[in-house]
Amino acid sequence: GQQLNQSPQSMFIQEGEDVSMNCTSSSIFNTWLWYKQDPGEGPVLLIALYKAGELTSNGRLTAQFGITRKDSFLNISASIPSDVGIYFCAGTVAGGTSYGKLTFGQGTILTVHP
Amino acid sequence: NAGVMQNPRHLVRRRGQEARLRCSPMKGHSHVYWYRQLPEEGLKFMVYLQKENIIDESGMPKERFSAEFPKEGPSILRIQQVVRGDSAAYFCASSPQGIMNTEAFFGQGTRLTVV
Repeated sequence: GQQLNQSPQSMFIQEGEDVSMNCTSSSIFNTWLWYKQDPGEGPVLLIALYKAGELTSNGRLTAQFGITRKDSFLNISASIPSDVGIYFCAGTVAGGTSYGKLTFGQGTILTVHP
Repeated sequence: NAGVMQNPRHLVRRRGQEARLRCSPMKGHSHVYWYRQLPEEGLKFMVYLQKENIIDESGMPKERFSAEFPKEGPSILRIQQVVRGDSAAYFCASSPQGIMNTEAFFGQGTRLTVV
């Protein structure tokens, strides 16, 4: 099946630092979504990207849809303790049977030290 | 506004028993998706349903697993004769259209443990 390679697997940072994580794929994607998952909870959508080259911000979060449509990155600026969690990239593969089927990356575990 | 409601939150079953997981979509949402998450992994797509129809079941195991979304009531994911490898968190999401976008939301999941 389709795979998304997400990196890094985990990050340990100090409060106030900026964070960057990315996803790559060998397949072309129609949409890229970034989710955050807290322990024991479901994923919560942070940012959705629909066009190649699109750069979108949501507060301290910025994400971009790669021009090749095979990658995306998420940046978090000035991290705070509540940014702790697991971040997932996800997307819908071009040519897929439905836009309801997301392929997820393996996740980036973020730890923020006060 | 109630979000996507899943129950039970935790379910323990012995090997060979049946597990029934329920998902009530958000009001006005007629599209439901089920995903499975193994420990320390991302979510894996299982099935996409609209009311009374299975649209895409390409991620569902061929045996023991079934899903439905009846005209009335919640969507049900049914796992027959559970095995230890079925232990996972099962999430459903719902959307008003057949697109996972900013109007689609995930529930809190059902954590299935098979003993």
